[in-house]
Amino acid sequence: DIQLTQSPSFLSASVGDRVTITCRASQGIYSYLAWYQQKPGKAPKLLIYAASILQSGVPSTFSGSGSGSEFTLTISSLQPEDFATYYCQQLNSYPRTFGQGTKLDLK
Amino acid sequence: QITLKESGPTLVKPTQTLTLTCTFSGFSLRTNGVGVGWIRQPPGKGLEWLALIYWDNDKRYSPSLKSRLTITKDTSKNQVVLTMTNMDPVDTATYYCAHGRKAGDSYGLFDYWGQGSLVTVSS
Repeated sequence: DIQLTQSPSFLSASVGDRVTITCRASQGIYSYLAWYQQKPGKAPKLLIYAASILQSGVPSTFSGSGSGSEFTLTISSLQPEDFATYYCQQLNSYPRTFGQGTKLDLK
Repeated sequence: QITLKESGPTLVKPTQTLTLTCTFSGFSLRTNGVGVGWIRQPPGKGLEWLALIYWDNDKRYSPSLKSRLTITKDTSKNQVVLTMTNMDPVDTATYYCAHGRKAGDSYGLFDYWGQGSLVTVSS
């Protein structure tokens, strides 16, 4: 299985901050990476796929980059509704593993 | 619009078999490139990919759980069923089903999710 390691696991930030979350794969996965946002008690929501393509309806404050084994999710200016847990997922091989998650909370 | 909903027991006993049904609308599992997958999340923990079935009946499983999982589809009923045998308290989790679509030359990108179904394993 491909292991995905997110860093940091916890992140405290303020409204308006720029934040970056990193996802590292245990082997190269080209650009087969997606990012999800999950709020408490809710299902995950797809944000980005193919490492950098924004899902329809997702604000442009979200962006993704990377290829191979290192990827980043950046939120350019945090909004109150962005405080949530973020997961990366690889779509290069089966099983389609997820990272352990990054919880973003209000400082 | 695409919707999915999980149904099944909320409580199962250890060693029992869990059967979960995902009933969906807004798409067809006859459509090339489409799949339905299952993901679970233990309370307070992360997401675990379990299984996925495609329009052509290709089935993929998590290797660590493959011996316990079976995924099937009923295209006429717009349903996908996941069974998990020999349930244990560590299998307590919210179980989600999700619509998987083709993204570029990769398959199984989860763009629509059900609300989730909490299953507790306890005697």
